[in-house]
Amino acid sequence: EPEVTQTPSHQVTQMGQEVILRCVPISNHLYFYWYRQILGQKVEFLVSFYNNEISEKSEIFDDQFSVERPDGSNFTLKIRSTKLEDSAMYFCASSERQTDYGYTFGSGTRLTVV
Amino acid sequence: DAKTTQPTSMDCAEGRAANLPCNHSTISGNEYVYWYRQIHSQGPQYIIHGLKNNETNEMASLIITEDRKSSTLILPHATLRDTAVYYCIVRLKTGANNLFFGTGTRLTVIP
Repeated sequence: EPEVTQTPSHQVTQMGQEVILRCVPISNHLYFYWYRQILGQKVEFLVSFYNNEISEKSEIFDDQFSVERPDGSNFTLKIRSTKLEDSAMYFCASSERQTDYGYTFGSGTRLTVV
Repeated sequence: DAKTTQPTSMDCAEGRAANLPCNHSTISGNEYVYWYRQIHSQGPQYIIHGLKNNETNEMASLIITEDRKSSTLILPHATLRDTAVYYCIVRLKTGANNLFFGTGTRLTVIP
């Protein structure tokens, strides 16, 4: 069964450093998403991406965050200057059509900011 | 998107059917009911969705009441691997991309 692949599975970074979280969506999917889950809290929407541009973003997704699809297979989330409160599981998801069917989520990257 | 209400937790004996309820009394006519689950700290997993007819797939069945104000997800023969948090989400099929995850129901399957 096709999977969404995320790397790394765990990243530790110092406060103020830039991090890039990487995702390889399912190959024929056109819509891409990032969600995050702070430990013990709800899964929260960050951003959706379609046709090489952001289609929707939440209030969490401020100027410190950016997304990019640098080539035909990768989808990245960059945090420019990490804060302690950015520590969370970050999930990438993709879908073939816009909410037509369920999203397929990756297994996540656990980001720890120290 | 309409708000949903789910019990905080439920237990189910292994091999028995797990029936997870969800109330969505403010659902509008063009909103769908989606179910996802999250096993431990893994990424959420899509289970099933429906509009007004009952739906069944290889994972589960979804029963939606005639007035659409509530629904039940049924796992016909629960296994230990079905222990997870189950989220009922009501949303438009097209339009906004934001899946709003509430607190869900923590289902524990007991041996």
